[in-house]
Order: sequence, then C-alpha cells, then structure tokens
Amino acid sequence: QKEVEQNSGPLSVPEGAIASLNCTYSDRGSQSFFWYRQYSGKSPELIMSIYSNGDKEDGRFTAQLNKASQYVSLLIRDSQPSDSATYLCAVYRGSTLGRLYFGRGTQLTVWP
Amino acid sequence: EAGVVQSPRYKIIEKKQPVAFWCNPISGHNTLYWYRQNLGQGPELLIRYENEEAVDDSQLPKDRFSAERLKGVDSTLKIQPAELGDSAVYLCASSLRGGISYEQYFGPGTRLTVT
Repeated sequence: QKEVEQNSGPLSVPEGAIASLNCTYSDRGSQSFFWYRQYSGKSPELIMSIYSNGDKEDGRFTAQLNKASQYVSLLIRDSQPSDSATYLCAVYRGSTLGRLYFGRGTQLTVWP
Repeated sequence: EAGVVQSPRYKIIEKKQPVAFWCNPISGHNTLYWYRQNLGQGPELLIRYENEEAVDDSQLPKDRFSAERLKGVDSTLKIQPAELGDSAVYLCASSLRGGISYEQYFGPGTRLTVT
C-alpha cells in the first residue's frame, strides 16, 4: 500500500467551477499535510499546509483534513485556466527525523 | 528573498559518465533535502541534511550516489557512474528546520538525461 494516494485524474473543470482534489494516506501517525502545485516542466510550489482536523482557507483554496478517515482534500473555488497544473499531496510522517511522502499527483485542467 | 538556487538546469550525459548537481538553499534554512522525481511520480527523498550532518540517507543509492554539505550551506549531489535509469529531475529543497511543522520549499530542479 502506498503511503499517499491521490485520485488518478486527469480532472477537467470549466472556468469558475469548484475543483475538488482528494488524497488518502496510510499511516495514522502522520502529522502534517501539504498541497503543492506543479506546472508542467516546473518544480513543486507549496500552496497549502494543514496540521489539524477541519478546514483551512487561503484565498480561493481550502484544505480539509480528516485524520480519523486519513483523508485530505483541496478545494479550488472559482477555478481559473491558470490553475491548470498537477497538484501533489504530501504527508509528513515521523518526528524530528521524519520524512515527507508525496502522492503521484492529480492533473487538473480548467477550460475557459 | 531569494529562493532555492540549483544548477545546472539541464544536463545530458552518456551512461557511465559522472555528473554533479549544486544547490544553494534559502538563506537561514538549516535543513536541506535532495529529491528525485521521475516522470508522472511525486518527488522521493534521497538525502536530508541538518546543517552539515546527513541525518537521513537511507534512500540514497550509495554505490553510485554521493552528497556533501561541507559548510552547512550549499550542497552537491554527485552520480558516478550514471546509468540510464538515473534520468529524472533532481530537486533540492530547504526548510528552516526539520520537523513536522516546517514547510519545504523547492528549487527549480535539474533535469538529467542519460543516453
């Protein structure tokens, strides 16, 4: 079983819609959760971090964490064509010498 | 504030040749990471440094890969000899500290092609 799994995609939504990206993780002891955006040919860019159960909002982005279900999601409201990218879910497991585990990413396309 | 700097951005070499990648982390970041990203996959950790000390190198293929961070700032990752399967993007990241609440920021990466 992979540490971090994401819905395979690709996900295609019209401009202005809500894009919903999902991620599950295998280790119940995981402590920190991150979403990275990666444009084609570019490196991952951190867009959200979440550490406790519930929702965290930042502009058009909302991260949701449910530790009991081992589930993390990212909602993008009012999606724009510039949001078209691969979104990587990352989960930190371990203490001070822990490690960040990445999913394979979900490719999102927002069409005008 | 300058981000993580990496060079070169692209490298094409023949198999069995050596190659080296350089990384300068965000100023003040004590923790430095080297990741490898294969096409269609997420990054995978190769090695993590806390200052000069390699605290997690369990995923580094030590028969051909080596890394150093001599003064606790910039770092070099080397492959010798390179194999076809080493073709990937090599990413450097840094964080203020290691640990659960310290966010990692990536450099632009080096795209390596081994022919």
